[in-house]
Amino acid sequence: QKEVEQDPGPLSVPEGAIVSLNCTYSNSAFQYFMWYRQYSRKGPELLMYTYSSGNKEDGRFTAQVDKSSKYISLFIRDSQPSDSATYLCAMQVTQGAQKLVFGQGTRLTINP
Amino acid sequence: GAVVSQHPSRVICKSGTSVKIECRSLDFQATTMFWYRQFPKQSLMLMATSNEGSKATYEQGVEKDKFLINHASLTLSTLTVTSAHPEDSSFYICSARLPSGYNEQFFGPGTRLTVL
Repeated sequence: QKEVEQDPGPLSVPEGAIVSLNCTYSNSAFQYFMWYRQYSRKGPELLMYTYSSGNKEDGRFTAQVDKSSKYISLFIRDSQPSDSATYLCAMQVTQGAQKLVFGQGTRLTINP
Repeated sequence: GAVVSQHPSRVICKSGTSVKIECRSLDFQATTMFWYRQFPKQSLMLMATSNEGSKATYEQGVEKDKFLINHASLTLSTLTVTSAHPEDSSFYICSARLPSGYNEQFFGPGTRLTVL
């Protein structure tokens, strides 16, 4: 079983729709949760960074963490074609070198 | 702020040659940098953790003699793929962590290596 599971998609939705992206994890030691956006042939770009359970909002993006269920989500409101990319969740424990463990990434396409 | 650059962005080389990839933190000092590789349509896999002034820590299954990492300064880490083979063709991405007290990693734009 992978430490972090993420549905690779692809996911295709019409412009303006609300998008929900999810990851589950098995390691209860994970304390920090991130969402990255990666455009084709580019490096990942940090979108959201959360520590505690609950919601964190930044513009059209909302990150949600449920540590009891080991489940995190990213919601995108009023989706735009420019949001088309691969979205990667990543997690981190507090000890050691603080390496990131990534999900497989979900390929998202927003259709005009 | 928190910009990380990589050079070159793309490299094609012959089998058996060595290739060096540079990773620089442009506006902050990074005591820790990370090197990842990513195959098409797959996630990032951590190869090694690079700490300034000390030896890199390699992940299980990554050959340290093949993937040489040097982190000689607080703004530069290099990855050298020695005696490259076609199976080493991949997208190599570095990241840098902000100084102590922060956990975020910021990624470079990646280097696409093609070994013929």
